Amino acid sequence: EIVLTQSPGTLSLSPGERATLSCRASQSVRDSFLAWYQQRPGQAPRLLIYGASSRATGVPDRFSGSGSGTNFLLTINRLEPEDSAVYHCQQYAGSPWTFGQGTKLEVK
Amino acid sequence: EVQLVQSGAEVKKPGESLKISCGASGYIFATYWIGWVRQMPGKGLEWMGLIYPANFDTRDNPSFQGQVTLSADKSANTAYLQWSSLEASDTAIYYCARCRDLAYFDAFDIWGQGTMVTVSS
Repeated sequence: EIVLTQSPGTLSLSPGERATLSCRASQSVRDSFLAWYQQRPGQAPRLLIYGASSRATGVPDRFSGSGSGTNFLLTINRLEPEDSAVYHCQQYAGSPWTFGQGTKLEVK
Repeated sequence: EVQLVQSGAEVKKPGESLKISCGASGYIFATYWIGWVRQMPGKGLEWMGLIYPANFDTRDNPSFQGQVTLSADKSANTAYLQWSSLEASDTAIYYCARCRDLAYFDAFDIWGQGTMVTVSS
């Protein structure tokens, strides 16, 4: 099983700043089959990034994904208060698919 | 509009059975893998398994094998998650979600709104 470790656990930033979230895998994620999701309180997750770096439909270009192998990043530029959420990474390269434990981002 | 609509919240007692549903619309239901994801109170996301409605092929997470059953009804465009005997530890929100790419394993691009299951004596 591929274990995903996200850091930091919590991130507090101000509007307009940049956030960098990390997701590290216990073994290489084949074909960069890694996704990022945003989950606002009381809502279902929303796909942001798939294939490590491809933005999902309708996702602002402030969100970008990068990385390969075992190290992946989600970068959010020009933070807005609405970006406050928990961000989850997920690998779908090998069964069982796994999620990281999440990073909570506070923008205020 | 492509969407998944899940059945409503459930309150059950330990030992009872339960079947929750995930209705699809706006796309050809049979040709996309559907997954189920558990989120226990205040916790992260856990992948439970996948089902391909076209041929009912499944991929299961060993951590959930024997505890839940994934099924689908092509004629009703609906996927199901079923328990035969609930435990208190099954208390969670359960999400269904569609794999992004036609007929292939992929990230989940469409999510249901979630079904809250509470198991308490």
